[in-house]
Amino acid sequence: GIQVEQSPPDLILQEGANSTLRCNFSDSVNNLQWFHQNPWGQLINLFYIPSGTKQNGRLSATTVATERYSLLYISSSQTTDSGVYFCAVAGIERGGADGLTFGKGTHLIIQP
Amino acid sequence: DVKVTQSSRYLVKRTGEKVFLECVQDMDHENMFWYRQDPGLGLRLIYFSYDVKMKEKGDIPEGYSVSREKKERFSLILESASTNQTSMYLCATEDLSAYEQYFGPGTRLTVT
Repeated sequence: GIQVEQSPPDLILQEGANSTLRCNFSDSVNNLQWFHQNPWGQLINLFYIPSGTKQNGRLSATTVATERYSLLYISSSQTTDSGVYFCAVAGIERGGADGLTFGKGTHLIIQP
Repeated sequence: DVKVTQSSRYLVKRTGEKVFLECVQDMDHENMFWYRQDPGLGLRLIYFSYDVKMKEKGDIPEGYSVSREKKERFSLILESASTNQTSMYLCATEDLSAYEQYFGPGTRLTVT
């Protein structure tokens, strides 16, 4: 099956700093999503981005499908940005319904 | 906005009990999923359903069954709970027009 690798696994930054999280995947995809898991465990949708670039406030994401990677950018970090960020993909070979394959996540800590 | 609700945020059950986890969505999505999340193992797909009364096994279906009698409701059943089923359980639905998945708040199940 498709493999997903996220880096770095852990990241500690001061408030106001910028960060870049990376997601590499092993095969062509028709879905790539970035999630933020809050302290209560809920997965919050950040971006649906199988290709191209999107921006939402201080967050933006870019997926280069031909090179099989995606980047999540967080600018001017705030303490509320802390948590685990997941990249998840669905391979283009899927037929009909199928689950997402998740990376192990990046654990981000923003210190005041 | 997509709304996915799960019947309990926290649940404590005894070994051998039959456990029902309920998931309800209000977006008329055909596809629904159950995942579990464990430290060090990430999120793994248990079962999914692409229509009423239809189901498919995911990566780790052993010890679980599912039921989908109505389009908006997808239930995960632990026939005889065991301690190794202590985990965070997450339900998701999928918008077929874009393959984007949306998650519920999760249920933290402890089996003692």
